[in-house]
Amino acid sequence: GDSVTQMEGPVTLSEEAFLTINCTYTATGYPSLFWYVQYPGEGLQLLLKATKADDKGSNKGFEATYRKETTSFHLEKGSVQVSDSAVYFCALSDNTDKLIFGTGTRLQVFP
Amino acid sequence: DTGVSQDPRHKITKRGQNVTFRCDPISEHNRLYWYRQTLGQGPEFLTYFQNEAQLEKSRLLSDRFSAERPKGSFSTLEIQRTEQGDSAMYLCASSLSSDNQPQHFGDGTRLSIL
Repeated sequence: GDSVTQMEGPVTLSEEAFLTINCTYTATGYPSLFWYVQYPGEGLQLLLKATKADDKGSNKGFEATYRKETTSFHLEKGSVQVSDSAVYFCALSDNTDKLIFGTGTRLQVFP
Repeated sequence: DTGVSQDPRHKITKRGQNVTFRCDPISEHNRLYWYRQTLGQGPEFLTYFQNEAQLEKSRLLSDRFSAERPKGSFSTLEIQRTEQGDSAMYLCASSLSSDNQPQHFGDGTRLSIL
């Protein structure tokens, strides 16, 4: 069945460092891809999405590009802040629109 | 926008008891989803509704689990004869049914089985 694999954390960075969190997927069709973020003590929030190959999703300085050839949707940010510390989940939605999530990657940013 | 609301936030109960959770979706959203999240894992799909119709149930949803959305607005998830393995965060999400509409999540109900 469809699945999502993302890099294990925690990812520990200093403020202003470059961030990459890897995400790859397996799907039989043409899924939509998402990144959700969960800040401490809060619920899941949609960070960005891409619905077809070569689409780039972006929000709050984060970007991810839907790469069909490598079945990837890596999350990047050029300069992280302490306030970006959270757990990041990569997800895909199949033709029924239910979400299939990766296991999450915890990001810790230190001043 | 009042967001997706879940009640209660926390539930502690003894093994074997029944529990019921409630989810109030964003008012104009006709799709409603239930997920379960255990520690260190991503959410796993349980079931979803379009209006009052339950359209899909996961294999994870054993016979002890039942979900309803009687009037196409709020939904309830009931777990009968709870077991230790039911301890998890239960998440509700809602969306519009148009293509690629994002799901909006509530803060979840954390269930602890003693």
